[in-house]
Amino acid sequence: EVQLVESGGGLVKPGSSLKLSCVASGFTFSSYGMHWIRQAPKKGLEWIALIYYDSSNKYYADSVKGRFTISRDNSKNTLYLEMNSLRSEDTAMYYCVSTRWDYWGQGVMVTVSS
Amino acid sequence: DIQMTQSPSSLPASLGDRVTITCRASQDIGNYLRWFQQKPGKSPRLMIYGATNLAAGVPSRFSGSRSGSDYSLTISSLESEDMADYYCLQSKESPYTFGAGTKLELK
Repeated sequence: EVQLVESGGGLVKPGSSLKLSCVASGFTFSSYGMHWIRQAPKKGLEWIALIYYDSSNKYYADSVKGRFTISRDNSKNTLYLEMNSLRSEDTAMYYCVSTRWDYWGQGVMVTVSS
Repeated sequence: DIQMTQSPSSLPASLGDRVTITCRASQDIGNYLRWFQQKPGKSPRLMIYGATNLAAGVPSRFSGSRSGSDYSLTISSLESEDMADYYCLQSKESPYTFGAGTKLELK
């Protein structure tokens, strides 16, 4: 069974940092690119970052470019999202998703508030 | 950036109705169009890929079509379990962009 399990979310103050993790199982993680998608409360879906299967390329939405970093460790079947200089508008549920778009994690909530 | 204009934002419908949701792409995306269903408190579920292909396990009452830059998701006969939010996504190029979503609800 395919599983993507995110962790690392929580309540942080504006300007803080946080690192999300997504552990994959049930498929060959090292063969797939991976995305991070987020969804603010009661809002739509927003793509924020993509990393190729071998980390050779990374892409970011303008809203997070320069503040967020996507990375992966294929030996640990784990995807990461390092988030710096967090803002209130980064408050959202964060999902990790395979590049086939058919495997989604359950999501992890990040709340940025003073 | 490619913009995806999704309509309607809300769609009241009755059980058994045929319903259609549409997304218009601001640039050519070929068939790099996916549809997702999202129920409250749940992760999105892939329904359609390549504009017209049914994802694994999706009921055959769902279908996708394309006419030029307009992409449609149709449910041929609405069932209660179909009440959800639906989103289109262009996956042709970064930044990948979703439509704003359609809330399908019982009339």
